Amino acid sequence: QVQLQESGPGLVKPSETLSLTCTASGGSISSYYWSWIRQPPGKGLEWIGYIYYSGSTTYNPSLKSRVTISVDTSKNQFSLKLGSVTAADTAVYYCARGAGGSSSNWGQGTLVTVSS
Amino acid sequence: DIQMTQSPSTLSASVGDRVTITCRASQSISSWLAWYQQKPGKAPKLLIYKASSLESGVPSRFSGSGSGTEFTLTISSLQPDDFATYYCQQYDNYPYTFGQGTKLEIK
Repeated sequence: QVQLQESGPGLVKPSETLSLTCTASGGSISSYYWSWIRQPPGKGLEWIGYIYYSGSTTYNPSLKSRVTISVDTSKNQFSLKLGSVTAADTAVYYCARGAGGSSSNWGQGTLVTVSS
Repeated sequence: DIQMTQSPSTLSASVGDRVTITCRASQSISSWLAWYQQKPGKAPKLLIYKASSLESGVPSRFSGSGSGTEFTLTISSLQPDDFATYYCQQYDNYPYTFGQGTKLEIK
């Protein structure tokens, strides 16, 4: 069973770029769809986007101008970059794996706070 | 975007009860719907995909039904471990969207 682990800074300044990496262990990243999903404190879930192992991406239009998701199959990792962050981007960020639209494996999540 | 509306927002029930949570989509999503369970401080867990397919390892007391715009998640006999928040998610159209959640509380 693949296990996912998010890593990256827990604090980002406003207007800067949030960067997170998800490392997959116990399985290859060279298949499936690899997603980023976030959850503001006390609120619901928001789909950010996903990348297919081949590199094809789909993003949420509400974030598309600021988001980049990339994959590094040699490291079994995929990454999220979200630019020009504001306090509204404060959330727990999850990485997840799925065969299509649903996500069957999730990381534990990492809280990213946007604050000066 | 497709809006997903869950009802109720909060549900109080007892161990052994049969409970049903409803999820309505703002337009037809065929059967492209998933259900997740989330406990405080934890990641969501996939329970049901494609509206009615049980994810491997999920107890059979969980079941899903529906198609088009109306879907239900049923727990046939509540267990203590089932008290959590439940989310539906559509994956028919981009962007994928989630319902606002249903918190299942102990009565």
